[in-house]
Amino acid sequence: DAGVTQSPTHLIKTRGQQVTLRCSPISGHKSVSWYQQVLGQGPQFIFQYYEKEERGRGNFPDRFSARQFPNYSSELNVNALLLGDSALYLCASSPGTSGRGETQYFGPGTRLLVL
Amino acid sequence: AQSVAQPEDQVNVAEGNPLTVKCTYSVSGNPYLFWYVQYPNRGLQFLLKYITGDNLVKGSYGFEAEFNKSQTSFHLKKPSALVSDSALYFCAVRDPGTASKLTFGTGTRLQVTL
Repeated sequence: DAGVTQSPTHLIKTRGQQVTLRCSPISGHKSVSWYQQVLGQGPQFIFQYYEKEERGRGNFPDRFSARQFPNYSSELNVNALLLGDSALYLCASSPGTSGRGETQYFGPGTRLLVL
Repeated sequence: AQSVAQPEDQVNVAEGNPLTVKCTYSVSGNPYLFWYVQYPNRGLQFLLKYITGDNLVKGSYGFEAEFNKSQTSFHLKKPSALVSDSALYFCAVRDPGTASKLTFGTGTRLQVTL
């Protein structure tokens, strides 16, 4: 079975630009979450989507936005990029129906470098 | 707010020896705890989780974790380390409110040598 997939794998942008990252969850999973992992730190929660609705948002500025499509795939958009946005962006999927104990499965991530 | 602490930046162990990676947590209500492993330039791989029940949780690749409520700890263990276990290990706690939000520790780098 295919796991969580993310595209692109790597991305280089300049300050002020906009970027879109994509994620396809495990088949049958309806919940997608996004995390930012800065070098040397643990992942930080950005968003959760379930059934195309935002269910949670972390402490990130409005430059960060996301959406989920009818096929449960998701996009993360970041506008007006800053140097500090350079990080590994991780997508995680889960069934969305099993409560707090369900496991999130992570994709390989998209490494974003802002110059 | 919930939090996780991993007090050791790095743990060094010889192959064949037992290993322990430490994690302590702070959360209101019942804790839902997870361990993940990250290899270089890769995403996170799920190892095991504690929801309720037996305090000793068994997971993937021979790893296990011991939940201790009185010490608010969830240490990751393996009886016999392998060089291939060398990686970055993260402990995480599930937010009591949002169904999916995980709060991660800062990670512990495990180095297993011959």
